[in-house]
Amino acid sequence: DQQVKQNSPSLSVQEGRISILNCDYTNSMFDYFLWYKKYPAEGPTFLISISSIKDKNEDGRFTVFLNKSAKHLSLHIVPSQPGDSAVYFCAASFRGGAGSYQLTFGKGTKLSVIP
Amino acid sequence: DSGVTQTPKHLITATGQRVTLRCSPRSGDLSVYWYQQSLDQGLQFLIQYYNGEERAKGNILERFSAQQFPDLHSELNLSSLELGDSALYFCASSVGGAGNTGELFFGEGSRLTVL
Repeated sequence: DQQVKQNSPSLSVQEGRISILNCDYTNSMFDYFLWYKKYPAEGPTFLISISSIKDKNEDGRFTVFLNKSAKHLSLHIVPSQPGDSAVYFCAASFRGGAGSYQLTFGKGTKLSVIP
Repeated sequence: DSGVTQTPKHLITATGQRVTLRCSPRSGDLSVYWYQQSLDQGLQFLIQYYNGEERAKGNILERFSAQQFPDLHSELNLSSLELGDSALYFCASSVGGAGNTGELFFGEGSRLTVL
């Protein structure tokens, strides 16, 4: 049972335009959501996050939106740059016993920004 | 550079064999996580250690085991290897504890190929 779903395996966007990456989740216990970016031959790197008490978080060209009622979040990249071409993973977490937690990742969306 | 070091970067072995993957977390991080990424799959959580103790367990096979040593480095042991165990194995670390919301720092991964 996939608790975090990224239904688009790939996305192509023209340079300068907006990239919108989507993510859906099923577990209501999730209270923190993150996006990671991964280049080939590298490990994933943290990009941006949002707490469930917010509906928007912005960091430069990157904005994450959270719609709790729809259990949906999205990552907007404006303007898109060729260097943004990477695989983007959506992840969700909740705090378990003794402060432990674990991240549940989606399968990723490969973004290609075309110059 | 995330500060998380994984060795070896690449490993080729035969079915039925046993291998050990090693991870050194970022300086000061107490939590270590192991993830598996198979072809076309997202990052599957295997196991978490916090300050030497197992904290959370995910989809880790019984043939796999891990430990975290007093110096906080961790090893993932994979035994009786099968073709399907071929994957990228990522180690990640975090400060850990109740205040952590899930931002992990990933190593570059160990690519295991089982022939």
